[in-house]
Amino acid sequence: AQKVTQAQTEISVVEKEDVTLDCVYETRDTTYYLFWYKQPPSGELVFLIRRNSFDEQNEISGRYSWNFQKSTSSFNFTITASQVVDSAVYFCALSEGGYALNFGKGTSLLVTP
Amino acid sequence: EPEVTQTPSHQVTQMGQEVILRCVPISNHLYFYWYRQILGQKVEFLVSFYNNEISEKSEIFDDQFSVERPDGSNFTLKIRSTKLEDSAMYFCASSEILAGGSDTDTQYFGPGTRLTVL
Repeated sequence: AQKVTQAQTEISVVEKEDVTLDCVYETRDTTYYLFWYKQPPSGELVFLIRRNSFDEQNEISGRYSWNFQKSTSSFNFTITASQVVDSAVYFCALSEGGYALNFGKGTSLLVTP
Repeated sequence: EPEVTQTPSHQVTQMGQEVILRCVPISNHLYFYWYRQILGQKVEFLVSFYNNEISEKSEIFDDQFSVERPDGSNFTLKIRSTKLEDSAMYFCASSEILAGGSDTDTQYFGPGTRLTVL
């Protein structure tokens, strides 16, 4: 069973639009950790954010914000006023306290001028 | 800022050959990982390594794979007899601690090694 679902395969927006990337996860553990990583065209994986299951506070970092809702098992990522440099594949990942990160299939975001 | 490094950036090999992918984790990190990403697909966990032992491995990590920390800085992934389906991007990652409620369990990834098996 897929533990992390990113239903949006590709999203295309025009610069300065806001965009939300969805992430739905599945776990039976009460303690778990959620992550977002960015993979720009150059291919590396860049860590963006980490969230504990017991911390449902939303977080804002510049143009990025994350909405964690345990009631819907979602950890969505919003980019405000998108820029061309935001074009990348974004992965949501789940850790259930072990070693492995379970990644979603990723959402490819294209921001055009 | 400390970072994970990987060499080579691109490796081309013939089917059946052995390859060794190298990684230098962040210096104060204790947990090391290998992941792979087949082109256009999601990132998949292969193995984790702590205290000179494999701590967890996935079904993908079969007998043709092995990992080693040959010295105090390098962490390697060996594929003994490469197959066409081993072609992928291989990522090394490291974390300071295991998942346990602190930011220090975040896994930081290297830039990857693209392995092409012909």
